[in-house]
Amino acid sequence: DAGVTQSPTHLIKTRGQQVTLRCSPKSGHDTVSWYQQALGQGPQFIFQYYEEEERQRGNFPDRFSGHQFPNYSSELNVNALLLGDSALYLCASSLGRDDFGYTFGSGTRLTVV
Amino acid sequence: KNQVEQSPQSLIILEGKNCTLQCNYTVSPFSNLRWYKQDTGRGPVSLTIMTFSENTKSNGRYTATLDADTKQSSLHITASQLSDSASYICVVSDSGGYNKLIFGAGTRLAVHP
Repeated sequence: DAGVTQSPTHLIKTRGQQVTLRCSPKSGHDTVSWYQQALGQGPQFIFQYYEEEERQRGNFPDRFSGHQFPNYSSELNVNALLLGDSALYLCASSLGRDDFGYTFGSGTRLTVV
Repeated sequence: KNQVEQSPQSLIILEGKNCTLQCNYTVSPFSNLRWYKQDTGRGPVSLTIMTFSENTKSNGRYTATLDADTKQSSLHITASQLSDSASYICVVSDSGGYNKLIFGAGTRLAVHP
């Protein structure tokens, strides 16, 4: 049973560019949440997708957007990259409002130069 | 403001010794509290989850406690092993929205031989 898979594992982008990160949830899960984790810090909630809609959002600018597909996979898009966007981006999946089965992927390490 | 604070920030212990990590939170309304282990550059892995009515939960050499009155939790690691070297993150789920997780900054534990 595959867990949460994220791609790519590492990525280097230049300031001002755009990036797309991808996440496939654990089998049976329908909710995807995205987190940003700066070095030495705890993850910060970006947003959550359920039934292809963003249903909750953290304190992140509109440069951060996302999408959920009918197969429950999700994308995180970041436009106009800043140096401060360099971080580990984590995807977590769960089933509906049940957060006991919350499962994290291994993350995508984004470096902006 | 919903916050989770952990102490100490970092800790070094010798292999075979015990240690206790602390977590204080101000999240309301409270749903559950969990402890995660996160290896460097990897996604967090759940160790324990406790609801309001639970005051202790064990997972092998890891034992978590919860005092919902004082809003404090601890994670006790017994007979530490080199593989316990990681960050340990306290996470509180609020029940006011769609179970958004609020993360502490983590305690970085190093176990030395």
